Amino acid sequence: GAVVSQHPSWVICKSGTSVKIECRSLDFQATTMFWYRQFPKQSLMLMATSNEGSKATYEQGVEKDKFLINHASLTLSTLTVTSAHPEDSSFYICSAPAPLAEFSSYNEQFFGPGTRLTVL
Amino acid sequence: ELKVEQNPLFLSMQEGKNYTIYCNYSTTSDRLYWYRQDPGKSLESLFVLLSNGAVKQEGRLMASLDTKARLSTLHITAAVHDLSATYFCAVDIIANSGYALNFGKGTSLLVTP
Repeated sequence: GAVVSQHPSWVICKSGTSVKIECRSLDFQATTMFWYRQFPKQSLMLMATSNEGSKATYEQGVEKDKFLINHASLTLSTLTVTSAHPEDSSFYICSAPAPLAEFSSYNEQFFGPGTRLTVL
Repeated sequence: ELKVEQNPLFLSMQEGKNYTIYCNYSTTSDRLYWYRQDPGKSLESLFVLLSNGAVKQEGRLMASLDTKARLSTLHITAAVHDLSATYFCAVDIIANSGYALNFGKGTSLLVTP
């Protein structure tokens, strides 16, 4: 199946700093990628949709000026958490859609391994 | 508002026993996804159910989908410790789009000797 990578896998930063997380589709192109956030022992919540060549769309309640998304190419989306605070500490997971199988008209989401952000 | 509800949220079961996890959703989606998540890890795709009546099995897990009832089940047969994990069901936020997903709250499964 398709492979999605994330970097870094974990990061610890001081409050007030900015952190960039990369999401790459390794063996396929993705004009759209999705960013989710997962707090401990909770479910995944969609934060935003990253669109190659256009602005990201954010879910209600997600601050676009705080969570900057750039879809730089057909294989790379980045999420920058600006002026991070302890409440931003979470597990961030990206996903990208790709066909279930060759010639399939159905897409499936392929998830990255996640990035654990801890803000001190 | 799209809702995806799982039950139970917590499940402790003995090895060798059977149990079913339920997933109800409020949209008209014909697709449903099941994922497994181990602590500290990302999601592992278990099943993609694409139509009404779909049934898929992999090892001790079997998933089914009833789109008319908006219900999916994940049945565990003769549980073993290795199945301990959190299981999520999810549906497309935009029905049948194959794009962003709305997840249930997850079922935390613990299989004990």
